[in-house]
Amino acid sequence: ETGVTQSPTHLIKTRGQQVTLRCSSQSGHNTVSWYQQALGQGPQFIFQYYREEENGRGNFPPRFSGLQFPNYSSELNVNALELDDSALYLCASSETGSSIQYFGAGTRLSVL
Amino acid sequence: QKEVEQDPGPLSVPEGAIVSLNCTYSNSAFQYFMWYRQYSRKGPELLMYTYSSGNKEDGRFTAQVDKSSKYISLFIRDSQPSDSATYLCAMRLEGSYKLIFGSGTRLLVRP
Repeated sequence: ETGVTQSPTHLIKTRGQQVTLRCSSQSGHNTVSWYQQALGQGPQFIFQYYREEENGRGNFPPRFSGLQFPNYSSELNVNALELDDSALYLCASSETGSSIQYFGAGTRLSVL
Repeated sequence: QKEVEQDPGPLSVPEGAIVSLNCTYSNSAFQYFMWYRQYSRKGPELLMYTYSSGNKEDGRFTAQVDKSSKYISLFIRDSQPSDSATYLCAMRLEGSYKLIFGSGTRLLVRP
């Protein structure tokens, strides 16, 4: 176990709705990254947060947004859900400047 | 063309076989190379981490990086049914925080 916990485990939403996914980082890790993993694909980087600010972003539209809290936990928010947003959403935590990212088990989102 | 290419498999081997998993990449500036193992419906688990070129061994696992060929490999000796999973290669640039993943190779080790 990595110590990174995500909730909920599974989620079903309909197109157009909004969703919030949550992540609790491993103890001592102040950086959190979010990835989207479509079925049969590798994870795709969404963004990273460090000290409660977005530290970099992948090729995802603005309707994907996030937050990091003082205790380093994090949220991923997705507005105006589309069918293609159906995927496994992974949170990874790391120490500042480290290449080594530890992943949670993910939240599986289904958009109908 | 994807930045990181990985054969999706599935790769099926008998128990005890030596497994070779590979990735090629296009960006010669990648400096950090990782292999993750992902079981069904689980998050990726870090197996091996290598900086720049060379070999690294950890138990039954050996990671190799050939930067001149832009090619990385993971070898698994004495493969076990519990090794059945999807193996993801990942890499990143110096000073970057973003991991670039391959699409994963599904491995099945038959008892």
